[in-house]
Amino acid sequence: LAKTTQPISMDSYEGQEVNITCSHNNIATNDYITWYQQFPSQGPRFIIQGYKTKVTNEVASLFIPADRKSSTLSLPRVSLSDTAVYYCLVGPGSSNTGKLIFGQGTTLQVKP
Amino acid sequence: DAEITQSPRHKITETGRQVTLACHQTWNHNNMFWYRQDLGHGLRLIHYSYGVQDTNKGEVSDGYSVSRSNTEDLPLTLESAASSQTSVYFCASSENRDRGLYEQFFGPGTRLTVL
Repeated sequence: LAKTTQPISMDSYEGQEVNITCSHNNIATNDYITWYQQFPSQGPRFIIQGYKTKVTNEVASLFIPADRKSSTLSLPRVSLSDTAVYYCLVGPGSSNTGKLIFGQGTTLQVKP
Repeated sequence: DAEITQSPRHKITETGRQVTLACHQTWNHNNMFWYRQDLGHGLRLIHYSYGVQDTNKGEVSDGYSVSRSNTEDLPLTLESAASSQTSVYFCASSENRDRGLYEQFFGPGTRLTVL
C-alpha cells in the first residue's frame, strides 16, 4: 500500500480556508485517495474520496493533480468545530482487497 | 437507523486475563475491521474479515484473535491481556464494493486498561 506523508499539525483561524496536503509518491494505478476526520474520543469519519482531478461535497474539496503523487484537502471557512485530526489514506478502490493504513494524521487546531 | 456499536465502552482488567470486546453492526456489511489507537498515534489494523467464516491478520495481530460466525458481529479476544495492550479499540465496517467509494463506518470505541 502506498505510504503517505502529511504535516503533523496545522493552525488556522475561524473563517479561513484550510488546505492540507498529502504526499503519496508511490501511488498505484488502481489506488484511490481518501480522507478521514477524527474528533477526540470518537472513531474516524469519512470525509471525501477521489481518484483524479477535483471532487467536492458538502464538507470539503479534494484536489488531485494529474500525476496523482499528492493531494490537497480543502476545508472552506473553518469553524472551531473543525478542530480534529485529518488522515490521508491511499489504497485500492476495491473494498474486498483494501486495507486502510492510517498514519499519524494532521492535527488541525482552529482558533477563534 | 443502522449503526455500529461496541461494548463495553470502558474496561479495566488484569494482566493475564482473557478479555473479549464486542462489535455489532446492523448495516449488513460484509467487511468488518478492528483497530487500536494509542496516544499520539494513528490507527493500526489488528484483524479484519470480509465475510462469515473469513478472518485475516492485520499489522498488529499478535495476542489478539477474532471469529466471524455471522454478518453482524466480530468479537475481538485478547487471549492473555498484557499492559502493552492498553489502548483504545475501534471497530469498523464497510460495504462490499468492486471499485470506488467504500467508506468505513467506525464504532464509538472501547477504552481498555490492563493493569
